[in-house]
Amino acid sequence: EDKVVQSPLSLVVHEGDTVTLNCSYEVTNFRSLLWYKQEKKAPTFLFMLTSSGIEKKSGRLSSILDKKELFSILNITATQTGDSAVYLCAGLGTNAGKSTFGDGTTLTVKP
Amino acid sequence: DAGVIQSPRHEVTEMGQEVTLRCKPISGHNSLFWYRQTMMRGLELLIYFNNNVPIDDSGMPEDRFSAKMPNASFSTLKIQPSEPRDSAVYFCASRPGTGELFFGEGSRLTVL
Repeated sequence: EDKVVQSPLSLVVHEGDTVTLNCSYEVTNFRSLLWYKQEKKAPTFLFMLTSSGIEKKSGRLSSILDKKELFSILNITATQTGDSAVYLCAGLGTNAGKSTFGDGTTLTVKP
Repeated sequence: DAGVIQSPRHEVTEMGQEVTLRCKPISGHNSLFWYRQTMMRGLELLIYFNNNVPIDDSGMPEDRFSAKMPNASFSTLKIQPSEPRDSAVYFCASRPGTGELFFGEGSRLTVL
């Protein structure tokens, strides 16, 4: 059975701090690792990573995948209160077509 | 595009009643997923369809749950009879091919 584990489960920081969120996976016939942000409502897509070592960036957020060690990290620099959310990662396999989600990391950014 | 549309947004019902949740995926997306989210169990996949055909329903908790996708623009998730432990937020998501999921706003179900 596919498995995705995120750490830490929760994190409290102050504005301006840099955070690193971790995601390890065991996914049969792995294809991609996806990151989502969930605020009050539905998860929204952040990144999809398919190749090792290639960093994806969007503003203050960046992510990278290590297919040898089976993990990914999501970095957020200069955090803002608006970054407060649950961050979910999901592993996608080729033969199943379904995404297996981790339990998420709850990030709280204090002013 | 209006995105994935779910209804109802909130449903409060009594144990034993039938509940039907509805979803309209984004036009052109050929895969549709039903997820359930609770504090205890996180985001769980219940069932997914590819080109209107159910591919994997191994996450459906038991026979009380059923899902249909009669055409490319509509899907339902039915719970009959409902129980308090079914209380959760139910998300529908669609996807074009492989890649990211586009989630609806969710249906919050409370079973008393």
